[in-house]
Amino acid sequence: DIQMTQSPSSLSASVGDRVTITCRASQGISNYLAWFQQKPGKAPKSLIYAASSLQSGVPSKFSGSGSGTDFTLTISSLQPEDFATYYCQQYNSYPPTFGGGTKVEIK
Amino acid sequence: EVQLVESGGGLVQPGGSLRLSCAASGFTFSSYDMHWVRQATGKGLEWVSAIGTAGDTYYPGSVKGRFTISRENAKNSLYLQMNSLRAGDTAVYYCARWVRDYGMDVWGQGTTVTVSS
Repeated sequence: DIQMTQSPSSLSASVGDRVTITCRASQGISNYLAWFQQKPGKAPKSLIYAASSLQSGVPSKFSGSGSGTDFTLTISSLQPEDFATYYCQQYNSYPPTFGGGTKVEIK
Repeated sequence: EVQLVESGGGLVQPGGSLRLSCAASGFTFSSYDMHWVRQATGKGLEWVSAIGTAGDTYYPGSVKGRFTISRENAKNSLYLQMNSLRAGDTAVYYCARWVRDYGMDVWGQGTTVTVSS
């Protein structure tokens, strides 16, 4: 199975900060990488697919990059509604696997 | 509106069975692969099973032989039959629509399964 390693596992940031989360795959996955946002008690919401493409309706403050084994999710200017847990997921091959999550908290 | 609604969760004793359902609306259900993903309280996301448009199925080792995913296109419904349940299966179970190039783009709100005596 492909292991997905996210870092950091948590971070504290202020409104307006630029935030970057990284995700590393244990083997190459081309660009079959998705990012999800999850708020407490809610279902995950898809933000980015194919490493860098925004899902419909997702604001452009979210961006993704990377290919192969190393990927990043960037939030350009953190807003109160962005405080949540973020997960990466590879869907290059079965089983699809998720990173451990990054909890973004208010500083 | 594209929507997935899960149901069927509840409290079950270890060794028992439960059948989850996922009702799809707002899209051509038969044209999409579908997945189940679960999340134990305070933990991360864990993929549970998938079914393709042709009925091909996939499972991780942790549930293979105990869980069965199926679909009924005429009813726009996805199912997860869970047998020989264990305490470790306690989680919120989500169904999700999957497109090869877009990943899991639509998720349901989840249904809670608790395995306890």
